[in-house]
Amino acid sequence: ETGVTQTPRHLVMGMTNKKSLKCEQHLGHNAMYWYKQSAKKPLELMFVYNFKEQTENNSVPSRFSPECPNSSHLFLHLHTLQPEDSALYLCASSQRRGWNQPQHFGDGTRLSIL
Amino acid sequence: TQLLEQSPQFLSIQEGENLTVYCNSSSVFSSLQWYRQEPGEGPVLLVTVVTGGEVKKLKRLTFQFGDARKDSSLHITAAQPGDTGLYLCAGASESSGSARQLTFGSGTQLTVLP
Repeated sequence: ETGVTQTPRHLVMGMTNKKSLKCEQHLGHNAMYWYKQSAKKPLELMFVYNFKEQTENNSVPSRFSPECPNSSHLFLHLHTLQPEDSALYLCASSQRRGWNQPQHFGDGTRLSIL
Repeated sequence: TQLLEQSPQFLSIQEGENLTVYCNSSSVFSSLQWYRQEPGEGPVLLVTVVTGGEVKKLKRLTFQFGDARKDSSLHITAAQPGDTGLYLCAGASESSGSARQLTFGSGTQLTVLP
């Protein structure tokens, strides 16, 4: 139990579907992150939120739309995805935003695009 | 672009053997974090090294930060099947200034056979 819960754990969707990934952290942290993990590639930082405000968007295509209603919840809304978007999507949180902050990860959502 | 190169990419050893995995960069890092990711789970932080030449021990795991803070190594003594997982290093380069963000290596996939 890492204190960061992601749902669903697995998701299969067609390219025209709309779905959302959910992340909830019970650690009282103020920063939350979305990462993409593809086979044989480093974790790619997608978005960073600090106190509910988006502070970083690493040139992520608009078909990925994040939402952070409060410091404990983070969503990733998916629309018109491509096959290359199939990957493990990891949510993480840290006490504060910062490159040197230890990050606590959820177990990820395994996304498959048909 | 800061790049963290990890080697070897894959390592399969017998229980009881010793091993070392490496994390190298041409950039100077203020600190490096090591994570382990087990199948079906998110990465879990093992240790953070901050000072050049620093050595930290976590049971059978020994982490070292290079004197120049450009590289790090993880040595496991008497490996056990429970050590199986993807070992990731992560850090932020000092040269990025205010744009610093955590960058991950591609990882070393370790398999310890009973």
